[in-house]
Amino acid sequence: AQSVTQLDSQVPVFEEAPVELRCNYSSSVSVYLFWYVQYPNQGLQLLLKYLSGSTLVKGINGFEAEFNKSQTSFHLRKPSVHISDTAEYFCAVRAMDSNYQLIWGAGTKLIIKP
Amino acid sequence: ETGVTQTPRHLVMGMTNKKSLKCEQHLGHNAMYWYKQSAKKPLELMFVYSLEERVENNSVPSRFSPECPNSSHLFLHLHTLQPEDSALYLCASSQDKAGGRGYTFGSGTRLTVV
Repeated sequence: AQSVTQLDSQVPVFEEAPVELRCNYSSSVSVYLFWYVQYPNQGLQLLLKYLSGSTLVKGINGFEAEFNKSQTSFHLRKPSVHISDTAEYFCAVRAMDSNYQLIWGAGTKLIIKP
Repeated sequence: ETGVTQTPRHLVMGMTNKKSLKCEQHLGHNAMYWYKQSAKKPLELMFVYSLEERVENNSVPSRFSPECPNSSHLFLHLHTLQPEDSALYLCASSQDKAGGRGYTFGSGTRLTVV
């Protein structure tokens, strides 16, 4: 079985500052990893995903994440945030031997301070 | 629009009412999902349909009844709900039940049971 831990329920950060949202997972098998973003009053949107290959994955809106197998982490980063990045961010994993069961983290709210 | 449309956006219903949530996608996806999103909890997968066949039912109470008449439409029929069923109900679709390319989510239906 897999599990996902997003260590911070909220992350406040000043506009134009860098941010890192943490995601750790546990799994006995290899996994695929995803980050989704949910803007207020909207559904979730795929930010980026790691399926294989380079461990540094670039996504939309200037976000990137690095897969670290030894630390079982997939932290999300952005070098300079904007007010428009205010949203909730969800990390998810799926075992490579599973057809569709995504396991979700509880989410991290990114709060941008002007 | 994200490509997945959910109606209604908001629904208030009494515990004795019967209502239905509707989800529609014209992305050519073959798999559709119902998720429940409650505050401060991870997303809960409720049902999965692949090529109109239900392939997963995650121990959801029988007061929730899904229907998938074709690959573009998914319904969630609700009856005799409880106040703890109040949540955001999200529909998603993917190209296949493996979901490797990620899911496309609708904006959700905010359900309040009174």
